[in-house]
Amino acid sequence: KAGVTQTPRYLIKTRGQQVTLSCSPISGHRSVSWYQQTPGQGLQFLFEYFSETQRNKGNFPGRFSGRQFSNSRSEMNVSTLELGDSALYLCASSSDDTTDTQYFGPGTRLTVL
Amino acid sequence: GIQVEQSPPDLILQEGANSTLRCNFSDSVNNLQWFHQNPWGQLINLFYIPSGTKQNGRLSATTVATERYSLLYISSSQTTDSGVYFCAVERGKFYFGSGTKLNVKP
Repeated sequence: KAGVTQTPRYLIKTRGQQVTLSCSPISGHRSVSWYQQTPGQGLQFLFEYFSETQRNKGNFPGRFSGRQFSNSRSEMNVSTLELGDSALYLCASSSDDTTDTQYFGPGTRLTVL
Repeated sequence: GIQVEQSPPDLILQEGANSTLRCNFSDSVNNLQWFHQNPWGQLINLFYIPSGTKQNGRLSATTVATERYSLLYISSSQTTDSGVYFCAVERGKFYFGSGTKLNVKP
């Protein structure tokens, strides 16, 4: 079974731009969660989608948004990028919900200049 | 939210040594997982262990949910064990500790 895939793997943007990251979960998994990892704040939960509905949300500003499609693939969007948005963005999938084992993708490393 | 504290923050071992990593959490949780993050950023899940003890090769983990802590044991460490070990707990959403950075020297 293929693992969680994320595209692109690396991205460089400038302040004020917007960016869309993509995550394809393990086949059959319906829950997708997104995390931001920075040296200063560590790993922080962004949001979780299950069957195309946002089920949980972390404490991030509205510039961070996401969605999930009927095939469980998920995208997250960050608008009006700030320097502080530079981070490794990780996606995780699980079969039903967050009480199940989470499997992480390789991440997208975003650099904002 | 739930506070998750991991100790020690840094650990240097000689190859072949054993170690114990600790994770304390501030409230009852539904789920607890241990992860290893390799130098390329990939998070590999090691254990799903909301309670009890599990073993997988040289690694084992114990969670005492009533006392709100979990331990990860690494025996006969190898250089490939180097990286950052994270504990994550779930109650509605996941909360990660700040990790233990392990460096195993040959």
